[in-house]
Amino acid sequence: GAGVSQTPSNKVTEKGKYVELRCDPISGHTALYWYRQSLGQGPEFLIYFQGTGAADDSGLPNDRFFAVRPEGSVSTLKIQRTERGDSAVYLCASSRQDQETQYFGPGTRLLVL
Amino acid sequence: GNSVTQMEGPVTLSEEAFLTINCTYTATGYPSLFWYVQYPGEGLQLLLKATKADDKGSNKGFEATYRKETTSFHLEKGSVQVSDSAVYFCALTLYSGAGSYQLTFGKGTKLSVIP
Repeated sequence: GAGVSQTPSNKVTEKGKYVELRCDPISGHTALYWYRQSLGQGPEFLIYFQGTGAADDSGLPNDRFFAVRPEGSVSTLKIQRTERGDSAVYLCASSRQDQETQYFGPGTRLLVL
Repeated sequence: GNSVTQMEGPVTLSEEAFLTINCTYTATGYPSLFWYVQYPGEGLQLLLKATKADDKGSNKGFEATYRKETTSFHLEKGSVQVSDSAVYFCALTLYSGAGSYQLTFGKGTKLSVIP
């Protein structure tokens, strides 16, 4: 079956602009995670959704970052007033409810100029 | 908090050499442990996992044993191939409430295998 998909694969924007990154999880997976991977680092947790609700957003770095999942499937990560330090690969992962194993998408590479 | 430390790369080996990538962890609790692999141009893939002490995870010739006494989960392969060239990430998860199994990753170790 189809895996986790993310769009766009690459995004270049200017400092101060607003961006949206999309994640389409595996069908039937109720749990969805966003991670951020900076160059040379491992992925770092941002936010977790169970269904439509953000059950844990403790990893969001500041209030410029926000994510939604209105219908419990597709999720959008939104970044306002982007800064050069936001440049990274943003990864999405999904899993079945109460399952440890997560399946990752290919990521969106964000570059803020 | 939870953390994962893995050996710094890059690691360069000749084909058929023995591979070890060290991984140790710190966790407030009893985590499950994972190795993920990222091949060039591809997304993260689960390589293997272990959920309790002395469990051995294995896949594609790779193995790792959950050692609670040394808080380690070292990755090994007896004979590497060029196709194993990738970045390897050690990770842990602890249930953190509301169904969340957020992963904590190490920094990754880049492996290059030369013919």
